[in-house]
Amino acid sequence: AQTVTQSQPEMSVQEAETVTLSCTYDTSESDYYLFWYKQPPSRQMILVIRQEAYKQQNATENRFSVNFQKAAKSFSLKISDSQLGDAAMYFCAYRGTSGTYKYIFGTGTRLKVLA
Amino acid sequence: DAGVIQSPRHEVTEMGQEVTLRCKPISGHNSLFWYRQTMMRGLELLIYFNNNVPIDDSGMPEDRFSAKMPNASFSTLKIQPSEPRDSAVYFCASSLARREIQPQHFGDGTRLSIL
Repeated sequence: AQTVTQSQPEMSVQEAETVTLSCTYDTSESDYYLFWYKQPPSRQMILVIRQEAYKQQNATENRFSVNFQKAAKSFSLKISDSQLGDAAMYFCAYRGTSGTYKYIFGTGTRLKVLA
Repeated sequence: DAGVIQSPRHEVTEMGQEVTLRCKPISGHNSLFWYRQTMMRGLELLIYFNNNVPIDDSGMPEDRFSAKMPNASFSTLKIQPSEPRDSAVYFCASSLARREIQPQHFGDGTRLSIL
């Protein structure tokens, strides 16, 4: 069975600095998708970025980028020029391409942004 | 386009009462997911539907929980009888299941408090 692990329950970053949130996963599939979701205090779940496993190029969305290491089964999220509005829970999620439609979520990392 | 719509946003009721949570997925989406989020257990998948058919309900905690999707634009999650340990935020999410994986879009959640 697939698993997703976020080993950092909480992280802090100074405003305008860069922070990296880690995520590892376990799967026997070769084709799959990975996502990062943000949940601010308003509790909305907002998609931040997605990565297709068959793409070697790391996904980037403005200040958000990923470091996808397929062999190591690692999918970290880098936030550059951190802003106060980036403070939230961040969830890593896995979605396979065979059989089940289930998304597997990690336990989340709470990011604090210090002014 | 309207997002996933959940109602009510908040629900407070007494133990033993029946609770019904409602979800309207994004038009055109054919997969629907119900999640429960608590501090202790994080984000748990309860059940998901594909084309209105329940595919996997292994996450439903017990017989007190039931979910239906009578048509493509509406789903309910019912708890009867409710217990204090059911207090949580319940999310509904939808996505378009096709060869190119689409991310899940979440509703704003229902915060349920059982007294």
